[in-house]
Amino acid sequence: KAGVTQTPRYLIKTRGQQVTLSCSPISGHRSVSWYQQTPGQGLQFLFEYFSETQRNKGNFPGRFSGRQFSNSRSEMNVSTLELGDSALYLCASSGGQGDYTFGSGTRLTVV
Amino acid sequence: SQQGEEDPQALSIQEGENATMNCSYKTSINNLQWYRQNSGRGLVHLILIRSNEREKHSGRLRVTLDTSKKSSSLLITASRAADTASYFCATDGTGFQKLVFGTGTRLLVSP
Repeated sequence: KAGVTQTPRYLIKTRGQQVTLSCSPISGHRSVSWYQQTPGQGLQFLFEYFSETQRNKGNFPGRFSGRQFSNSRSEMNVSTLELGDSALYLCASSGGQGDYTFGSGTRLTVV
Repeated sequence: SQQGEEDPQALSIQEGENATMNCSYKTSINNLQWYRQNSGRGLVHLILIRSNEREKHSGRLRVTLDTSKKSSSLLITASRAADTASYFCATDGTGFQKLVFGTGTRLLVSP
């Protein structure tokens, strides 16, 4: 079966801009969660969606938002980008049995 | 802040040797998982151990879980150069619908 697809793989944005990242989960998985990975903070949970509803949110500012569509695909948006938002953003899909499959990530660089 | 702590932070061994990584966590868990990450790419799921299990094997991997000590260990036997990567433990707590990651161990296996 197809894995988790994240697009784009790489992004370079300027401070103050906004960005939208996309994640297509494994077919049949209804849960999608997002994580940010930086050298300083490691892997941190952003939010989790299930059937188009946000069930859980990490400790990130309101500039970070997300949504999930009826086909379970999810997007996350970061507005008013800051240099510190440069990171690898990973999404994971889950079938609800404690199994998480991660995508290859989107590497965001803010200049 | 991250829940899990891993040690060592870095480990350098020769091919054929065994590698052991340890993970400690703070709260009750449903399960604990180990992931591998190559050069800042996506996370690859290695093994999941549930809170009522004490040991699990998968190929050259052996994972133990001690819930009384809130700790886990990952043993990779007969290491290969291809095992060079960062390894993360992640816990899945009750009702949280998210993974909490450890700080990771960087493993270098030299030919």
